[in-house]
Amino acid sequence: QSALTQPASVSGSPGQSITISCTGTSSDVGSYNLVSWYQQYPGKAPKLVIYEGSKRPSGVSNRFSGSKSGNTASLTFSGLQAEDEADYYCCSYASSGTYVFGTGTKVTVL
Amino acid sequence: EVQLVESGGGLVQPGGSLRLSCAASGFTFRTYWMSWVRQAPGKGLEWVAKIKQDGSEKQYVDSVKGRFTISRDNAKNSLYLQMNSLRAEDTAIYYCAGYGVPYGIDIWGQGTMVTVSS
Repeated sequence: QSALTQPASVSGSPGQSITISCTGTSSDVGSYNLVSWYQQYPGKAPKLVIYEGSKRPSGVSNRFSGSKSGNTASLTFSGLQAEDEADYYCCSYASSGTYVFGTGTKVTVL
Repeated sequence: EVQLVESGGGLVQPGGSLRLSCAASGFTFRTYWMSWVRQAPGKGLEWVAKIKQDGSEKQYVDSVKGRFTISRDNAKNSLYLQMNSLRAEDTAIYYCAGYGVPYGIDIWGQGTMVTVSS
């Protein structure tokens, strides 16, 4: 049950596209397309932005998209905006029936 | 309004116990898988436990197995986390969370702080 690996920080200019990676193992990310992504502002509860790898909940901007290749899932922002500056966490269902979160990525809008 | 409200956090000594509660409203609680997720100060999110709609299935992260127990009372729309043998590393904000979409948490409480210190 080791945490999934994410880059500590990613930055980009407004309007730019950026991608956050989330690397796991064959026991979690690699075995299922069941990765979710969460946005968290300082002092606030997380918010779901992607589930089941690539699905967006109602009300979430279509600038967010999710994908997966092998043991690595990715969250892509198309057209970065100032309000996207936050921490982002991936989370995967695992073969043990549990879940595991990623280490978290701080997104900075330059 | 869909809402989860946690309570029961506080300061406890190492080795002590605490019971967290979570009151649900605005949605059909009995149809949701529920979880507890925690976040140590300045750190990332950590999944702690989950419980099936009828309470028949429960899973825990290895670090709390044998010490924490998740439970629910659907008649009271409430989720609980009994925490025993608490350690300093259990210090965190504990979030009550609901799976409204497959394998995704779309309902979060505001969190309750648990501090384990002498």
